[in-house]
Amino acid sequence: KNQVEQSPQSLIILEGKNCTLQCNYTVSPFSNLRWYKQDTGRGPVSLTIMTFSENTKSNGRYTATLDADTKQSSLHITASQLSDSASYICVVRTTSGTYKYIFGTGTRLKVLA
Amino acid sequence: DAGITQSPRHKVTETGTPVTLRCHQTENHRYMYWYRQDPGHGLRLIHYSYGVKDTDKGEVSDGYSVSRSKTEDFLLTLESATSSQTSVYFCATNWASEDEQYFGPGTRLTVT
Repeated sequence: KNQVEQSPQSLIILEGKNCTLQCNYTVSPFSNLRWYKQDTGRGPVSLTIMTFSENTKSNGRYTATLDADTKQSSLHITASQLSDSASYICVVRTTSGTYKYIFGTGTRLKVLA
Repeated sequence: DAGITQSPRHKVTETGTPVTLRCHQTENHRYMYWYRQDPGHGLRLIHYSYGVKDTDKGEVSDGYSVSRSKTEDFLLTLESATSSQTSVYFCATNWASEDEQYFGPGTRLTVT
């Protein structure tokens, strides 16, 4: 069964600190992997997309990595800011079946001053 | 929110009543999706559309129907609302199915 698991479920860090969020997936065949940021009361917004051949991709203070062999991805946030407080959702796209987007349950990050 | 609006943003309704949620987009995207988001679950696909009058079921379609009579509008109807349909509903769109999905702001529905 296609699944996306994220850890930790929630995380609290102090402003200015770094953190890493994890995403493990058992989706096949694999098309791409996206990280979304979802602010409270808003819809998700894409941060990065990674295809099979990409190992690392950055978007400002956000850096995503992908290991397609172990089916793991991480999202690293550098020098966190209060505005980083949000849920981060890992989404894996497959090329087969009806439900092509497999969503993780998200990691809820809270950044404290 | 990439030109995607949802209405209403909040709704409280009673069990057994029909409810219609609207998604409106100005991006001229071909694909539109309805998801529900519940604690402990990832976003789950209810129905999607790949063109005007072309729709298909998703993962959790029981108790829901959809219609798309115009490119810009995708309606989700709960035929007879139940408490298990209390959720936050998100609409998403993209031009091609492999492209990034753009999400609307969501509708919080409470069924009492």
